[in-house]
Amino acid sequence: GESVGLHLPTLSVQEGDNSIINCAYSNSASDYFIWYKQESGKGPQFIIDIRSNMDKRQGQRVTVLLNKTVKHLSLQIAATQPGDSAVYFCAAALPSNTGNQFYFGTGTSLTVIP
Amino acid sequence: KAGVTQTPRYLIKTRGQQVTLSCSPISGHRSVSWYQQTPGQGLQFLFEYFSETQRNKGNFPGRFSGRQFSNSRSEMNVSTLELGDSALYLCASSLRAATEAFFGQGTRLTVV
Repeated sequence: GESVGLHLPTLSVQEGDNSIINCAYSNSASDYFIWYKQESGKGPQFIIDIRSNMDKRQGQRVTVLLNKTVKHLSLQIAATQPGDSAVYFCAAALPSNTGNQFYFGTGTSLTVIP
Repeated sequence: KAGVTQTPRYLIKTRGQQVTLSCSPISGHRSVSWYQQTPGQGLQFLFEYFSETQRNKGNFPGRFSGRQFSNSRSEMNVSTLELGDSALYLCASSLRAATEAFFGQGTRLTVV
């Protein structure tokens, strides 16, 4: 199986600063990762994904970095805005020809201070 | 393109009852997964269906079951409800394994 954990349960940043949310996974066979954002009362929202054959992937204001050597994943949010306040989860998937199952971390609650 | 739709959004049930939750995936997506989210345990995988077949199952008792129809819509059933079943039940749809999984808003189940 897989075990995913986030390094900090809470994170507070000033508006306009960059945010970094870190995640660790246990199984080196995990080959696909997704970052989700969950706002209160809503389902997790897909932010960005990365496969194990990549080290970095960029989206709009977000960057995901993957370090397979130490089994570490991070989400960087540039110029953090109040609307970025939410709980962020990383999810890892093992390669499977027979199924689609994600293992989730417990989440980091990001608070953006205006 | 419509997102993942879960119904109902909220449910209150009594211990011992059974409940059925519904999930309509994104059009064209054939993989539907179910997760239970609680404050203490986070998101826990229940099961996954693909083309009407259950492919993966998490560590939940047999009271939790599901099925998928030919149009990819999925239902999840919980029988003999317990207080500890109170949670947000989330459905995620994917085109296939190891691709983007998109979640619905969830069904908030409260067992009293």
